[in-house]
Amino acid sequence: TQLLEQSPQFLSIQEGENLTVYCNSSSVFSSLQWYRQEPGEGPVLLVTVVTGGEVKKLKRLTFQFGDARKDSSLHITAAQTGDTGLYLCAGAEGSNYKLTFGKGTLLTVNP
Amino acid sequence: NAGVTQTPKFQVLKTGQSMTLQCAQDMNHNSMYWYRQDPGMGLRLIYYSASEGTTDKGEVPNGYNVSRLNKREFSLRLESAAPSQTSVYFCATLLGFGSPLHFGNGTRLTVT
Repeated sequence: TQLLEQSPQFLSIQEGENLTVYCNSSSVFSSLQWYRQEPGEGPVLLVTVVTGGEVKKLKRLTFQFGDARKDSSLHITAAQTGDTGLYLCAGAEGSNYKLTFGKGTLLTVNP
Repeated sequence: NAGVTQTPKFQVLKTGQSMTLQCAQDMNHNSMYWYRQDPGMGLRLIYYSASEGTTDKGEVPNGYNVSRLNKREFSLRLESAAPSQTSVYFCATLLGFGSPLHFGNGTRLTVT
């Protein structure tokens, strides 16, 4: 079973600051997804990365997939209070439908 | 469209009681999943069904059973609830490999 390690577990910053969260594994993924979850709701997809070295941007969010497809990062520029939430990465090995999640990074952006 | 609907939203059980969590989707997705979420533990996969007629164990299947009743419905059963099963349970669906998971809003279960 693949293990996804996310860091940091908790992050509290001021509005306007930049931050990076990480998702690491010893396994190779065929695809990796990032989700954001707000209290009382299910996670919602932010992005899917499939190619080693791939970089995707979603407004102020930048996602990178490692060259070896074992790790990924999420960078947020000029964080806003609306970015507060739990950020989760999820990976799939091969064509397996078994999607495994990391433990998440709980981000709090203070005004 | 409702998307993924979970019932009930909240449930309190006594140790040893049984119950079934229901999940229904109207998105015509092939795969369905049950996860549990505990503080500091992220989402852990209990069971999944890659397609109608198949089910497979995830990371934490002990104490649970599932039924893929048809393409729309995937239920999770606790035969004899234990306090360790206190959690938030999420059902999710997937159209196909590489597409995003779509989650319901969860069932909050407390076992006393």
